[in-house]
This record gives sequence, C-alpha cells and structure tokens, in this order.
Amino acid sequence: QVQLQESGPGLVKPSQTLSLTCTVSGGSISSGNYYWSWIRQHPGKGLEWIGYIYYSGSTFYNPSLKSRLTISVDTSQNQFSLKVTSVTAADTAVYFCARDLGNPGYFDLWGRGTLVTVSS
Amino acid sequence: DIQMTQSPSSVSASVGDRVTITCRASQGITSWLAWYQQKPGKAPKVLIYPASSLQSGVPSRFSGSGFGTDFTLTISSLQPEDFATYYCQQASSFPPTFGPGTKVDMK
Repeated sequence: QVQLQESGPGLVKPSQTLSLTCTVSGGSISSGNYYWSWIRQHPGKGLEWIGYIYYSGSTFYNPSLKSRLTISVDTSQNQFSLKVTSVTAADTAVYFCARDLGNPGYFDLWGRGTLVTVSS
Repeated sequence: DIQMTQSPSSVSASVGDRVTITCRASQGITSWLAWYQQKPGKAPKVLIYPASSLQSGVPSRFSGSGFGTDFTLTISSLQPEDFATYYCQQASSFPPTFGPGTKVDMK
C-alpha cells in the first residue's frame, strides 16, 4: 500500500532554511488523482496546513507562510520537498507530509511526521 | 480564512459512554468537513469525509452529521482504543483549516 516518509534535519538554526523531503512508496506521485501536502503541528498544539503540490508542479501555499515557502516535486524519485526560509523558533513543529484528495480536500494518508527544532 | 472551533476542548468519559463533539465553521462550508483521530506521537487518521461519510475501515460506532456551519462527531459506545484527540477540518476553501482539537480521556 502507499506509504509516505518524511526525512530531513531535526535541528535548524534561526534565520536558516528548513528543508524536508517526503518519499512516496507503493504508488506513483504522478497519479493525477492526488495533491501532495505539507502540514505542521506545533508542540502540543493543533494542525496547520502549509501548502500542496500537484505532480505537474503547480502549487498552492498558505498565505500566512507563502513568502517563505517553496514546495517542489521530483517525479523521477517519487518525492516532494518543502523549504521554509528565515526560520524562527515559531517554526519548531512536527512536520507531516500527506496525500490530499481535493482542491482543497482532506488528507487520507500521512507520513509519521518529523520534529524540526529551530534553535542555535 | 475560515475559522474552525470545537467544543468541548476536552471530555472525560468511560468505556461504553456516548461521546459527542461539536465543530463550528465561521462561515458555511456545506458538507466539506473531515474528522480526524490523533493518538500521541502518531499522525492523524481520517475518520469521516464529507461530513457524514465514514471512511473505509472505520468502526461504525463513529458517526458524523451536520451541514453549513455546525457539525458533530459522535462515538456511540466509547472503546479503549478511542481515547485520543479529535480534530475537524474544513475543505471548502483555501487554506484548509483545522479545529483546535477535542481530547477524549479516561474518566
């Protein structure tokens, strides 16, 4: 079955760039039925949608983060990636990648999540 | 952005209890609402989408209802594995937004 797995550094210094990759296994990221999203959860808090990418490369970002975001896709590697620039402690969170069934839609498959801490 | 609120923020219940959680949207979202269950250290799991449609494999003790701005998630007979935090999420307009969560813990 389809699985998602996040990877990337768990510690990022303030003002630097957070970079994460989500690897999709058991299915093709190029399936036209899905969008591929990033969602984060601040420690002990609720969920915040960051943005999505379609396999064609089209993106939609949360306006609250848009100026610092880049989401990209590598269909040859069946991966999509997140970059957040100029991070602060407020970007400390568990970051999830998820399969998104709509435009907007809901999230039917999730990665396990990866904690990213912003600290010097 | 559409703001989502949930009540209560937490509920203490016993196995076998009926539990009802309410979600309200700041504007009408027709039926474009999902419910998720999240256990500590795990990713959320979708239970219901749209508002009253149970996802495949989800036990029938879970049910959802509502339309427009007001929605409910009901667990008809709470089981030990149901102690978790529940979130609603609107999928009507960008950006998709989540409620703050309702924690169901053991009385």
